[in-house]
Amino acid sequence: GAVVSQHPSWVICKSGTSVKIECRSLDFQATTMFWYRQFPKQSLMLMATSNEGSKATYEQGVEKDKFLINHASLTLSTLTVTSAHPEDSSFYICSARDLRKQGAKYEQYFGPGTRLTVT
Amino acid sequence: GDSVTQMEGPVTLSEEAFLTINCTYTATGYPSLFWYVQYPGEGLQLLLKATKADDKGSNKGFEATYRKETTSFHLEKGSVQVSDSAVYFCALSLPKAAGNKLTFGGGTRVLVKP
Repeated sequence: GAVVSQHPSWVICKSGTSVKIECRSLDFQATTMFWYRQFPKQSLMLMATSNEGSKATYEQGVEKDKFLINHASLTLSTLTVTSAHPEDSSFYICSARDLRKQGAKYEQYFGPGTRLTVT
Repeated sequence: GDSVTQMEGPVTLSEEAFLTINCTYTATGYPSLFWYVQYPGEGLQLLLKATKADDKGSNKGFEATYRKETTSFHLEKGSVQVSDSAVYFCALSLPKAAGNKLTFGGGTRVLVKP
């Protein structure tokens, strides 16, 4: 149980184009989803927190107009990288939790990640 | 701000060796502490957790004790297997943080050789 998927797992796009990454909770409802960015040999950096049906909360330094997050349902959140540039190339990871479950405040379930390469 | 520092890898061990990965933290308040593991090609999985001082988290032969006096949460395993090869992340979460968001350490890659 508690499986989170991401699609695509790997994407290459040209500079200036936009790319959408999907994060799905497959067997539970995610009231909250998190989006992280991971650089090579570095840790996960939280980009934003999204709650179903409301606007995402972005971490300091993250451009909300560039990284558009939509959490329209309890099983799907999307991250759209707009006007991508080579410096946006990274590994993007989502996680999900269901705050309605008892004890769930400690549990985040992670997706396998999406590698974005901007040429 | 809140931060987690863990030893840099890679850590290379032989099977059945003893593993220790050091983790220290800085936080305002009393965090919950976690170890996550990322196997090759997979997402992060919660390995163990501790929510208050002196708690010991354990799972799959791994243990870590929440030491408030030294602000540490070192991960240990007495006898590693090849299947333990992975990247290990120490993390903290503060009760009042929005959504109980996690702050991660830099990750430690562990390679266990047969």
